[in-house]
Amino acid sequence: DVKVTQSSRYLVKRTGEKVFLECVQDMDHENMFWYRQDPGLGLRLIYFSYDVKMKEKGDIPEGYSVSREKKERFSLILESASTNQTSMYLCASSSLHGYTFGSGTRLTVV
Amino acid sequence: DAKTTQPNSMESNEEEPVHLPCNHSTISGTDYIHWYRQLPSQGPEYVIHGLTSNVNNRMASLAIAEDRKSSTLILHRATLRDAAVYYCIPTSTYQGAQKLVFGQGTRLTINP
Repeated sequence: DVKVTQSSRYLVKRTGEKVFLECVQDMDHENMFWYRQDPGLGLRLIYFSYDVKMKEKGDIPEGYSVSREKKERFSLILESASTNQTSMYLCASSSLHGYTFGSGTRLTVV
Repeated sequence: DAKTTQPNSMESNEEEPVHLPCNHSTISGTDYIHWYRQLPSQGPEYVIHGLTSNVNNRMASLAIAEDRKSSTLILHRATLRDAAVYYCIPTSTYQGAQKLVFGQGTRLTINP
């Protein structure tokens, strides 16, 4: 089975901290994505990458950056965490056959 | 990105068929129609996708209108495990990546 693994299921960080959310996929997929999911707002695309070292902004990139140094790993970085970044973060990778999502990281910024 | 309209919620009984509708009247000619579902406390999972013809797989069937402005996801015999939020997503392609833009979806409740 294709696996997309997110490093943490739950995370609590302080306002102003630099936060790294890690995502690893094991199917040699070219494309990887970061979404956040909030009640009433649904899933929103933050960033995606269609190749190593390539990245594209999604719909809500402000306050976030990403890194894709290796094909299997796509990291989401919160440069200075704020309380409005408290959310469920979902990573995905895709091939022509569809997306596979990780189980999510629930981040709370206090 | 094409806009979609889905019912906020639907309810059905176990072992009965379920037809989940989706309107996507602004879909472009090259957009595929993807369906994903999200079970409670999990990430979304792929269900099915198609372009013009009806499609079947082990999970569901997808019926696409001739004008492609609407589609229907069909679960032939619903089980309790099918209770989830179902998303209909026209997908465009950028640099080979199909970009999924999620709407609010339909919350499906299955009664025992």
